Amino acid sequence: DAEITQSPRHKITETGRQVTLACHQTWNHNNMFWYRQDLGHGLRLIHYSYGVQDTNKGEVSDGYSVSRSNTEDLPLTLESAASSQTSVYFCASSYNPGQGPTEAFFGQGTRLTVV
Amino acid sequence: SQELEQSPQSLIVQEGKNLTINCTSSKTLYGLYWYKQKYGEGLIFLMMLQKGGEEKSHEKITAKLDEKKQQSSLHITASQPSHAGIYLCGADRRITQGGSEKLVFGKGTKLTVNP
Repeated sequence: DAEITQSPRHKITETGRQVTLACHQTWNHNNMFWYRQDLGHGLRLIHYSYGVQDTNKGEVSDGYSVSRSNTEDLPLTLESAASSQTSVYFCASSYNPGQGPTEAFFGQGTRLTVV
Repeated sequence: SQELEQSPQSLIVQEGKNLTINCTSSKTLYGLYWYKQKYGEGLIFLMMLQKGGEEKSHEKITAKLDEKKQQSSLHITASQPSHAGIYLCGADRRITQGGSEKLVFGKGTKLTVNP
């Protein structure tokens, strides 16, 4: 069955280190999204991509970067991890045929702790 | 400011009671999604509403979209402990009807159902 997977599920890292969270989907979806979820803030959009070589900033993109070299993967990189980036990160994907909204599928999340 | 406002933020009900969760958008809605999240897990898609006046039901959960008011409501009939979780509304924020989508979410409503 097609799916979307995130790895790792849990990670602890030190302040200042570079961290990359992986997101892989097998639906061949063109849209992919990264969110962070924090108490009191809900889900906030970090970066998103509409296809290969396309990336866009979301509402909380500072300190994060993404690259889309193929359809299946959208890795999220924290260039220099900060304690404020301790959060649960969710990746999502959807197919956009340009004819109306479509369901987005979410990964199981990555819990990142920056110490 | 938050594009999607959910109310209430939290809700505690007795098993068997009916309840309603509301979602109000500050911008035009091209699509409105409802997701459910269990603690520590990913988001599970419930329903998507696209047209004004549209109403969808799944088991004991009914969602309606009032496009003119830019609002949606999620109604649960005869609540059960299995309904407990966080309910999030999401909106399709595209510039044009045929354009690519950007999914944004409300902060969520935490539902507790006491047996």
